[in-house]
Formats: sequence, C-alpha cells, structure tokens
Amino acid sequence: KNQVEQSPQSLIILEGKNCTLQCNYTVSPFSNLRWYKQDTGRGPVSLTIMTFSENTKSNGRYTATLDADTKQSSLHITASQLSDSASYICVVSAEYGGATNKLIFGTGTLLAVQP
Amino acid sequence: IAGITQAPTSQILAAGRRMTLRCTQDMRHNAMYWYRQDLGLGLRLIHYSNTAGTTGKGEVPDGYSVSRANTDDFPLTLASAVPSQTSVYFCASSEGPHQPQHFGDGTRLSIL
Repeated sequence: KNQVEQSPQSLIILEGKNCTLQCNYTVSPFSNLRWYKQDTGRGPVSLTIMTFSENTKSNGRYTATLDADTKQSSLHITASQLSDSASYICVVSAEYGGATNKLIFGTGTLLAVQP
Repeated sequence: IAGITQAPTSQILAAGRRMTLRCTQDMRHNAMYWYRQDLGLGLRLIHYSNTAGTTGKGEVPDGYSVSRANTDDFPLTLASAVPSQTSVYFCASSEGPHQPQHFGDGTRLSIL
C-alpha cells in the first residue's frame, strides 16, 4: 500500500534554532517527492520537488534531502523564524506512465516557532 | 496577483442541498485538481482534469462531480450534501501532472 509517514507530528522550537522534519514513504513506482508549507487557514505552497536522481535541494533556509534507497526524505530548516510556524507536508508522486500520476500526501508536521 | 481563486471562502449548508464550489486560475495551467483536507488525514484527491474538456476520478469521488468547460474554471458540485462532506476543500492547478501544484486558500464547508 502506498503510504507517506511524517515525524514528528508536531514540534516546538525557539526562534533562531534549526530543525529537521522526517518523511518515510512506501510508494511505488516512485516519480518525485515534494515538500509543501501550509500556513494556518491557507493552501499549501510548494517548497521543493526532487526526482529520483536528486539527493538534495535547497530553497532559501529550507533544504530537502532524499535517499531513494531507504525511501526517506528530510526537510531541514536553518535559523528558524516566527514565520516558519506552519504545517509541513511531504508528498510523494507515483508514476504510472504518460500523463498519469498519483500524489500521496503525508499528514504533515506542525511546527511552532516561539520567540 | 496570479494564482487560484476559490469561492466561497466558507459555507454552512443544510444536508440534502446542492452546492457548487468555484475555482478559477489565471496561470493558464493545463491541469486542475480538487482535494479535501480532514483533520488527521492527508489531502485526498476528489477529481482532477489534465486538460480542458477532460476530467477524471480521484481517490474519493463519490458524491462529487466536476466539469472543465475551459482552461480557467474547474467547479466542484455536491449534488446532495451529507454531513460526511464537511471538510476544507482545496483547488489546485499545475502546468502538467508532474509539475508542482499551486493551491487556492480553500473553502471551509460545514454540512448540518
């Protein structure tokens, strides 16, 4: 069964600190892995998208890693800011050929950055 | 500002009523999607459209219908609302099925 599991469910850190969020998946056939940020009351916003051959990708203070062998990904946030408080969602795309693919969403990690 | 517009932002609806959630994008994206987001669950795909004139069923299509008469609009209709359809509904679009999806800010729907 295709699944995406994220940990921790929630996390509280102090402003300025770093943190790492985890994503494990059992999705086949794998196409790509995406991280989204969802602010409270808003829609998700894409942070990174990585294909099988990419093992790291950065977007400002956000750095995503991918280990396709162990089927794990992480999202590292450097020098956290209050505005980083949000839910971070890991999404894995399964490729079924042509224009058909399926996105499997994790339930997200809720991050709270405190002053 | 380019993006996705959803309407209404929230709605309370009596069970049995018909409701259409509107979604418009101005990015000329080919693909559009409807998701529902429920507490403790990841987003689940209801219906999708890879291009104008075509639609497909997602993971949880029962009780919902969509149409894609043109590139910009992708309305979602609940023919006869039931309480289990209480959720936050997100519309999204992408240039293609393998590209990042751009989401609207959601419609919060309560069925009583």
